[in-house]
Parts: sequence; C-alpha cells; structure tokens
Amino acid sequence: SQKIEQNSEALNIQEGKTATLTCNYTNYSPAYLQWYRQDPGRGPVFLLLIRENEKEKRKERLKVTFDTTLKQSLFHITASQPADSATYLCALEGGGSSNTGKLIFGQGTTLQVKP
Amino acid sequence: DTGVSQNPRHKITKRGQNVTFRCDPISEHNRLYWYRQTLGQGPEFLTYFQNEAQLEKSRLLSDRFSAERPKGSFSTLEIQRTEQGDSAMYLCASSFGGGSNQPQHFGDGTRLSIL
Repeated sequence: SQKIEQNSEALNIQEGKTATLTCNYTNYSPAYLQWYRQDPGRGPVFLLLIRENEKEKRKERLKVTFDTTLKQSLFHITASQPADSATYLCALEGGGSSNTGKLIFGQGTTLQVKP
Repeated sequence: DTGVSQNPRHKITKRGQNVTFRCDPISEHNRLYWYRQTLGQGPEFLTYFQNEAQLEKSRLLSDRFSAERPKGSFSTLEIQRTEQGDSAMYLCASSFGGGSNQPQHFGDGTRLSIL
C-alpha cells in the first residue's frame, strides 16, 4: 500500500543548530514533492517544492533534498531559531498523474527550537 | 492577494445536525481543494474543483458530504446528519493551475466539534 512517513516524535534542538526532518514514501513515483509548515490552529503554509530530477533545492535557511532511489526527502533548517518551532509536513501527488494536485500528506513532524 | 478565507472558524453542533462551511479562494485561482485534518495527522484529501467542475471525490467523502463551487468562485462543504467521527479541522486550499507542481494556499480552516 502507499505510505508517506515522517518522524512522529517531536524533534527538539538548540537554537543555532541545524534541524533535519525526514520524509519517506513507499509505492509512489512522485514527480514533485512539497514541504509545508503548520502552526497550531492555522492552515499549512507552502515552503518549498522539489522536482524528481532535482537533487537539492534551497531557499534562505531552508534546504530540501530528494532521493528517488531511497524514496526519501530530507528537509533542513540551518541556524534554527525559536520562531522555526512548528509542525512540518511533506506532501506528494496522490493522483494517477501529476496533474490532479491531489496532495497526500505525511503526518508531520513537530520541531521545537529552544533558546 | 488577500489569501484563502474560511468561515466560520469554529462550529459546535449536536450530532445529527447539518452544517455548512464556506471557502473563499484567492480570486485568480481556478483550482480549489478540500481537506480534513484530525489531531496529530496530516491533511487528508476530500475533493477538488477545476473552476466550477468537481473533478474527484475521495472515498472518505460519504454521501452525507456534498461540496459545490457555483460560478467557479467560492465553495461550500455541507455535512448532513453529522456524526461524532466528523469532528475535525476542515481545510480549504486553492492554486493557480493544477498539478502537484503548484503550491497550494491554505485557509486557516473550520474546526468542527460534534457534541
């Protein structure tokens, strides 16, 4: 069966360190993978999108990698700050093609950055 | 860009009652998606529209659920004869164009509580 898995345990790190979050998937062949941030009581906010032919994508302090052989994406936040504390969700195309936009989300990993 | 707006933000109702939620997407976005999210889980896809046409419904969407997007603008999601298991956050998202290569812009959701 198709699955998307993220670390269900919260990740606690010290301010200034690099946070690394993992997204593993099985029985998917996504052309794209997206990462979102969600704060309590709010809707998800889009952060980054990476294509299957891209190994790495960067935006400011954020970096995403996409390994289609390992079926894994890693999400890094460098020089983390307490304001980065949130739940981070990865998402894949859940339809038969890449045209539906029907996203299937992982369960999210909660990041807590301590000052 | 005023963002995606959802109303009401919270709805408390008794089991068996009907409820209706509204979503106003970003005005130039032709795709509109509905998701449901329970505590500790990622959003689950329910249905989506391309302009006014409803293109796909999840198996999660029983016949008690109906969604509309008249004139391809705002959308409503109605739940009839609510049950305890319907308690969740209902999220709406919109995008310009379709496909998983487009970021989705989410509203802050309607939290439904069934007494």
